[in-house]
Amino acid sequence: GQQVMQIPQYQHVQEGEDFTTYCNSSTTLSNIQWYKQRPGGHPVFLIQLVKSGEVKKQKRLTFQFGEAKKNSSLHITATQTTDVGTYFCAGALSSNDYKLSFGAGTTVTVRA
Amino acid sequence: DAGVIQSPRHEVTEMGQEVTLRCKPISGHNSLFWYRQTMMRGLELLIYFNNNVPIDDSGMPEDRFSAKMPNASFSTLKIQPSEPRDSAVYFCASSLRQGANGGYTFGSGTRLTVV
Repeated sequence: GQQVMQIPQYQHVQEGEDFTTYCNSSTTLSNIQWYKQRPGGHPVFLIQLVKSGEVKKQKRLTFQFGEAKKNSSLHITATQTTDVGTYFCAGALSSNDYKLSFGAGTTVTVRA
Repeated sequence: DAGVIQSPRHEVTEMGQEVTLRCKPISGHNSLFWYRQTMMRGLELLIYFNNNVPIDDSGMPEDRFSAKMPNASFSTLKIQPSEPRDSAVYFCASSLRQGANGGYTFGSGTRLTVV
């Protein structure tokens, strides 16, 4: 079945540094979504990417969808303590596919 | 908008007892999902409702689990009898659209501990 893999599983970042987390699917996706879950919290929808090669930015966060629509990345610049949490990618096979396949997440900790 | 509302936030119960988790989706959202989150298995989709009708319950672990959505503003997930391995955080999520397009809004979750 469809699988979405995320790497790395853990990311320890010095405050102010940049980092990237990657998401790879075994199958072509219709869209990919990113969620953030703070410690003890619930997943919060960040963004959806639909088009091949699409790039979207939210302040210090840059999201990219691969040309083949099988991979995605999230790049955070100048990491802040507010970036702490687990970032999940989730892929859908089609726009009508209700089953989002969630990656295992990248858990980010920040050293002040 | 109050978002997706779940209750209770925490539930501690003894093995063998019945547990009922509740969810109120965002008004106007016609898709509702129940997810379970554990360290070992991550986020797992248990069941999906569209317009109050169960569409896919293939993720429900076994017959001990059941879910209902009697109307557009309320859903329950019941475990009877509960077992220690059911301990997890259970999330309810709702979506405006039928498919996965547009993102899900998750509730704050119910942390279930079965002792």
